[in-house]
Amino acid sequence: EAQVTQNPRYLITVTGKKLTVTCSQNMNHEYMSWYRQDPGLGLRQIYYSMNVEVTDKGDVPEGYKVSRKEKRNFPLILESPSPNQTSLYFCASSHLKKSGTGGMNYGYTFGSGTRLTVV
Amino acid sequence: KQEVTQIPAALSVPEGENLVLNCSFTDSAIYNLQWFRQDPGKGLTSLLLIQSSQREQTSGRLNASLDKSSGRSTLYIAASQPGDSATYLCAVSRSGNTGKLIFGQGTTLQVKP
Repeated sequence: EAQVTQNPRYLITVTGKKLTVTCSQNMNHEYMSWYRQDPGLGLRQIYYSMNVEVTDKGDVPEGYKVSRKEKRNFPLILESPSPNQTSLYFCASSHLKKSGTGGMNYGYTFGSGTRLTVV
Repeated sequence: KQEVTQIPAALSVPEGENLVLNCSFTDSAIYNLQWFRQDPGKGLTSLLLIQSSQREQTSGRLNASLDKSSGRSTLYIAASQPGDSATYLCAVSRSGNTGKLIFGQGTTLQVKP
């Protein structure tokens, strides 16, 4: 089954304790991205990757890191989590056709989400 | 800057009604528009994807239309059922961009038995 798998689904942690949320896709998609969803603010992009070893900041990258060493995996790292990073996180992937200086995606598949609480 | 607006924010209808959800966007330079469904606390399920060159897409009881020139899309749900209760999100992907999706705030639908 084609899917994006995130782990864990739920996580409660303490301020400052490094954590990693994993994301893996089995569709050979070039493009992967992380979003966070907050009440009243909607979904906002954190980081994205157009291919292996190519990553860039989205709209709200502060406090997060990512890496793309393999095509299928795109982990989200919080080096020193803070309470304002309490949120619902989604990983997404898509085929990407490069065009000029950017790219055009062919429709996203989202993971089931990770609900993170930082106390 | 692209902005996506969904109206109404919430909608409650009796079972069996046909209904329309609206999505508008400010920049017509989009590559595609995607409609998603989200159940409370859950992930996003893709419903329909419309490329900018298309006018509509259909899947079962769902039909989505796209009018790029006017910056509008509608999601039509026929013969609504209680199981359709969820939040519906539209998102646009801009041409030549980073592949980022710009989301609306969503329409929360309740279908009453």
